[in-house]
Amino acid sequence: QQQVKQSPQSLIVQKGGIPIINCAYENTAFDYFPWYQQFPGKGPALLIAIRPDVSEKKEGRFTISFNKSAKQFSLHIMDSQPGDSATYFCAASGGAGSYQLTFGKGTKLSVIP
Amino acid sequence: DAGITQSPRHKVTETGTPVTLRCHQTENHRYMYWYRQDPGHGLRLIHYSYGVKDTDKGEVSDGYSVSRSKTEDFLLTLESATSSQTSVYFCAISYGGPRGTGELFFGEGSRLTVL
Repeated sequence: QQQVKQSPQSLIVQKGGIPIINCAYENTAFDYFPWYQQFPGKGPALLIAIRPDVSEKKEGRFTISFNKSAKQFSLHIMDSQPGDSATYFCAASGGAGSYQLTFGKGTKLSVIP
Repeated sequence: DAGITQSPRHKVTETGTPVTLRCHQTENHRYMYWYRQDPGHGLRLIHYSYGVKDTDKGEVSDGYSVSRSKTEDFLLTLESATSSQTSVYFCAISYGGPRGTGELFFGEGSRLTVL
């Protein structure tokens, strides 16, 4: 059972465009929603995270939008650059005793110059 | 970079042989995790540890065992490797648990090929 569904699987945008990656979750106990960025040959690294008490969080060119009623959250990258080309994973965790992050399947983003 | 070292970084082995992957951290974080990454499946949790000698199963634990005898080391063992265990294995650590930030710091991965 996949608890975090991520789309699209891959995405190609031109430099300056605004790629949007979407995730949906099922478990209403989730209360922490991070995004991880992974470059080829490297481990994932935390990019930005949000908790459900806010609907939006911005860090530089990266924004998370969160819709608690729809159980959806998304990542927007403003003014995308070729250096943003990477695989992006959404994730979720929460609930009493939960030590685990459940990841989406990932989105491979390519930003074309 | 977080002080996480995975070894070996690359390994080729044959079906039926035992394999042990090692994760060593210098951060003194309490929580350690083993994930596998496969195309089309993302990152899936194999086992995790919330303290010395305290471990639990993740989503895809069949065929794997773990041990943690010291805070800094978390071992992943494939008792009898199969071709379906060909994957990239990532170790991760975190400072906080359920009430912490939840941020995971990942190692650089161990690529395992089972022929």
